[in-house]
Amino acid sequence: GAVVSQHPSWVICKSGTSVKIECRSLDFQATTMFWYRQFPKQSLMLMATSNEGSKATYEQGVEKDKFLINHASLTLSTLTVTSAHPEDSSFYICSARVRPGSFDYGYTFGSGTRLTVV
Amino acid sequence: DAKTTQPPSMDCAEGRAANLPCNHSTISGNEYVYWYRQIHSQGPQYIIHGLKNNETNEMASLIITEDRKSSTLILPHATLRDTAVYYCIVSSSGNTGKLIFGQGTTLQVKP
Repeated sequence: GAVVSQHPSWVICKSGTSVKIECRSLDFQATTMFWYRQFPKQSLMLMATSNEGSKATYEQGVEKDKFLINHASLTLSTLTVTSAHPEDSSFYICSARVRPGSFDYGYTFGSGTRLTVV
Repeated sequence: DAKTTQPPSMDCAEGRAANLPCNHSTISGNEYVYWYRQIHSQGPQYIIHGLKNNETNEMASLIITEDRKSSTLILPHATLRDTAVYYCIVSSSGNTGKLIFGQGTTLQVKP
């Protein structure tokens, strides 16, 4: 089945530094990927939609300059949290549409990245 | 995208069927019903999705009412490993159709 690989699975960084999270589609091409954030005991919140070869579309209230998204190839999207602060500590999850318009599979998710900013 | 309403929590005895309801009264004609589940500290796992007809796969069955305003996810023989948060989501089938998660139902399977 369609697999999305997300790395790293966890990361600890110092306040003020930047962290990059990678999301790769292993056995399919993903023209569109999605980035979510999840705080403890809360649901997933969509942050942005990442489109291959074009600028990402951010949801209302998400700072595009803080959460940089790059989708340079059909199998890789990256999320960079710039100048991280403790309030950015969260669980970040990526997702890809397996076959747009197709009935099969729908969307597949990465395993998530636990970011802790100290 | 249409909004969904789910009960916040449910219990189910191990080995029995778990029936998880979802209301999506504002669903439009091109929107699918998706079900995902999330086990603690993991990414969501796809379960099943459908448009109009009932669907069944190796994990579960999806029953969609004729008016499409509600659906039920059925786990036929729940196990302890089915304890998770279950999300019912409606989304369009277009290329940029995105999944917006609600609060979901926390299913606790008890021995």
